[in-house]
Amino acid sequence: QKEVEQNSGPLSVPEGAIASLNCTYSDRGSQSFFWYRQYSGKSPELIMSIYSNGDKEDGRFTAQLNKASQYVSLLIRDSQPSDSATYLCASYGGFKTIFGAGTRLFVKA
Amino acid sequence: SAVISQKPSRDICQRGTSLTIQCQVDSQVTMMFWYRQQPGQSLTLIATANQGSEATYESGFVIDKFPISRPNLTFSTLTVSNMSPEDSSIYLCSVNPSNTEAFFGQGTRLTVV
Repeated sequence: QKEVEQNSGPLSVPEGAIASLNCTYSDRGSQSFFWYRQYSGKSPELIMSIYSNGDKEDGRFTAQLNKASQYVSLLIRDSQPSDSATYLCASYGGFKTIFGAGTRLFVKA
Repeated sequence: SAVISQKPSRDICQRGTSLTIQCQVDSQVTMMFWYRQQPGQSLTLIATANQGSEATYESGFVIDKFPISRPNLTFSTLTVSNMSPEDSSIYLCSVNPSNTEAFFGQGTRLTVV
């Protein structure tokens, strides 16, 4: 059974702080990894993708991938109240996307 | 990228009835995916719909309960049959046009009373 594990939270950080979200995955055949943000009542939207070991930065977001440890993380710098949402980690492989349970993030103003 | 139009956006249905959800994609895609998201939960894959062949169902989901049609490369339907309150959930269709990131329809919020 292919799985993606995340801490469900909630994770609460003050405005302007760094939020750190983590996940692990079980399928070593997974090729691609994604972070989606989902606001309540809305569909998930892609915020970051990462395909190779190391860091990938896009604005306030940095994704990190370590395939040896089967570990993916997302850092959100200068967190804003508008970042409050559920963040879903996902792996793609074998023509399927497997989602983690999601981490609820609250950014306090 | 891909733009998916999903309807209905929400419905309230009587138990024992069926609801058909439609998804239209703005480009041709080989596979379309149907997910369920129960309140406070993550997305669970129900089935993968391929054009011209039977859908492939994940463990715990069966064709009699969730029949799927895929008449062409841009359209699919999911029917939730003989509904019970436990079927109350958000249903999402999704595509991976480049075999990478997933794009989603707007979702269908189903309430069974």
